[in-house]
Amino acid sequence: AQSVTQLGSHVSVSEGALVLLRCNYSSSVPPYLFWYVQYPNQGLQLLLKYTSAATLVKGINGFEAEFKKSETSFHLTKPSAHMSDAAEYFCAVSAKSGYALNFGKGTSLLVTP
Amino acid sequence: ETGVTQSPTHLIKTRGQQVTLRCSSQSGHNTVSWYQQALGQGPQFIFQYYREEENGRGNFPPRFSGLQFPNYSSELNVNALELDDSALYLCASGEGQNNYGYTFGSGTRLTVV
Repeated sequence: AQSVTQLGSHVSVSEGALVLLRCNYSSSVPPYLFWYVQYPNQGLQLLLKYTSAATLVKGINGFEAEFKKSETSFHLTKPSAHMSDAAEYFCAVSAKSGYALNFGKGTSLLVTP
Repeated sequence: ETGVTQSPTHLIKTRGQQVTLRCSSQSGHNTVSWYQQALGQGPQFIFQYYREEENGRGNFPPRFSGLQFPNYSSELNVNALELDDSALYLCASGEGQNNYGYTFGSGTRLTVV
């Protein structure tokens, strides 16, 4: 079975600082990995996805993530945080295309002035 | 191009009642998935439909059932509501059987009292 663990339920950064949200996965097969963002009272928006192509994946809004098989990690980063980045972030894994997404419990990002 | 539309946005039901939630898929999408997101948790996969056939189901009891219609819109039905069914229910649609580009709706907030 595939699962993800998000380290840190809450992360606080200053505006302009580096954002690092951690995600480790467990998968018996090469995984498909995703990061989604959820703003209050809204659905999920796809930030980026890894589907066995390049290990460094660039997404929307300046976010990127690196797939590291040796560390079973898929951490999300952004060089400089904006106030508008404050939201809930979810890492998700899928066994293959078309299969269900297994989500982590989420990390709430707070950006302070 | 319209996105995924869910109705109603909010709903309050009494324990033991039945509820139907609706989802209109994004134009051109023929796959729809439903997820349950309890407060403070990541979404949990309920089931998925592809071209009107269920092709995946999560760990939810049979009182959770669904339909996908010829226009690829979908319903989620929950019978004999329990207090723990209170959650945000998210619908996601996609094209074909790949999950590269799932589009999520804003969800239906169900409260069971």
